[in-house]
Amino acid sequence: EAGVAQSPRYKIIEKRQSVAFWCNPISGHATLYWYQQILGQGPKLLIQFQNNGVVDDSQLPKDRFSAERLKGVDSTLKIQPAKLEDSAVYLCASRTFGAGNTEAFFGQGTRLTVV
Amino acid sequence: GEDVEQSLFLSVREGDSSVINCTYTDSSSTYLYWYKQEPGAGLQLLTYIFSNMDMKQDQRLTVLLNKKDKHLSLRIADTQTGDSAIYFCAETPISGGYNKLIFGAGTRLAVHP
Repeated sequence: EAGVAQSPRYKIIEKRQSVAFWCNPISGHATLYWYQQILGQGPKLLIQFQNNGVVDDSQLPKDRFSAERLKGVDSTLKIQPAKLEDSAVYLCASRTFGAGNTEAFFGQGTRLTVV
Repeated sequence: GEDVEQSLFLSVREGDSSVINCTYTDSSSTYLYWYKQEPGAGLQLLTYIFSNMDMKQDQRLTVLLNKKDKHLSLRIADTQTGDSAIYFCAETPISGGYNKLIFGAGTRLAVHP
């Protein structure tokens, strides 16, 4: 089974520029998460999709971050304009949705450096 | 509310047991997870436990849950240098119905000869 694919792996941009990250979840996984992991910290949930609908974006800085999941499959996360404090690894994960336990699978992440 | 807390660093000698601790605050039934993250790699699920269980054992890994104190621990027996990594505790609260997955800050495990 193919895993969660993310691209690019690395990105360096200047502050105030824009950047976009792409995630292709495991086929059939209804739940998709985007996390921000700053160096030395745990993953912080930015946004969670259930199919193509947003179920939690309470920690997404909506003035600069946006995300979409068209057709309930692939997802993109955009930052516009970027700030120095956005430097982090952006992790995408997907999971089937069910009443019992289901495992969340993570991609390798995109490491963003804002200079 | 939902919050997960962990101690940040643990150093052990190779061959000894490691115990990594975590506390969570959600009062509803929940699944609790331990993830491992090696340098430059994604998160790998190690094991999980449901909040109606006290203990789960999986080869060298033992998970203990104290529901009263909302305290979770991961014991790694015969710790090896390959176990050096960051270990994250995470929970999925059953309430809400949307499979939220909330992580702690992670415990860095260093294994030395």
